[in-house]
Amino acid sequence: DGGITQSPKYLFRKEGQNVTLSCEQNLNHDAMYWYRQDPGQGLRLIYYSQIVNDFQKGDIAEGYSVSREKKESFPLTVTSAQKNPTAFYLCASSISVTGVFETQYFGPGTRLLVL
Amino acid sequence: GQSLEQPSEVTAVEGAIVQINCTYQTSGFYGLSWYQQHDGGAPTFLSYNALDGLEETGRFSSFLSRSDSYGYLLLQELQMKDSASYFCAVRGEYNQGGKLIFGQGTELSVKP
Repeated sequence: DGGITQSPKYLFRKEGQNVTLSCEQNLNHDAMYWYRQDPGQGLRLIYYSQIVNDFQKGDIAEGYSVSREKKESFPLTVTSAQKNPTAFYLCASSISVTGVFETQYFGPGTRLLVL
Repeated sequence: GQSLEQPSEVTAVEGAIVQINCTYQTSGFYGLSWYQQHDGGAPTFLSYNALDGLEETGRFSSFLSRSDSYGYLLLQELQMKDSASYFCAVRGEYNQGGKLIFGQGTELSVKP
């Protein structure tokens, strides 16, 4: 089955620790995205990537880093510089960025909690 | 900049019709999308309007008026499973890839 997987489902971070959230897709999509969602809030874009080995900052990139070494993978690292990391993190992908409209397909999310 | 406004919550009864409004401000417009998210789950795509008018998909319809920078999602024959959050979204600037800007979401509660 095609889709987007995220792991782990829950992640606990200690103070000063970097943690990495995994996102994998087998939809053969070019574009991938990371969003952060806080309780009762909309989705805010952290980073996005239009093609392998290229990515751009979203609206709230500070304290986060990403890589895109393979088309199917777009891991997100929450660094110690992110002082308020507790949130629900959603990864998404879309076919390409050349069209005016592209549906985004979301993974099940990772809930990050600070110990 | 780009921003969207939608009501924070709406309540309706099973079998009724409910309308969720969305107003937007964008420098360039490439259509209005709607996504549904059940509590703790992944958002899923519902509909997209690029041109003025009504798009119908089963019990769900979406409307757009570009001159008013306004759209709405209409849900008919409400069912308990429709209880969820609904987000409107617009695309970012054309040179920003497929980036979407989301509204804050409307939490719909369907009562028996």
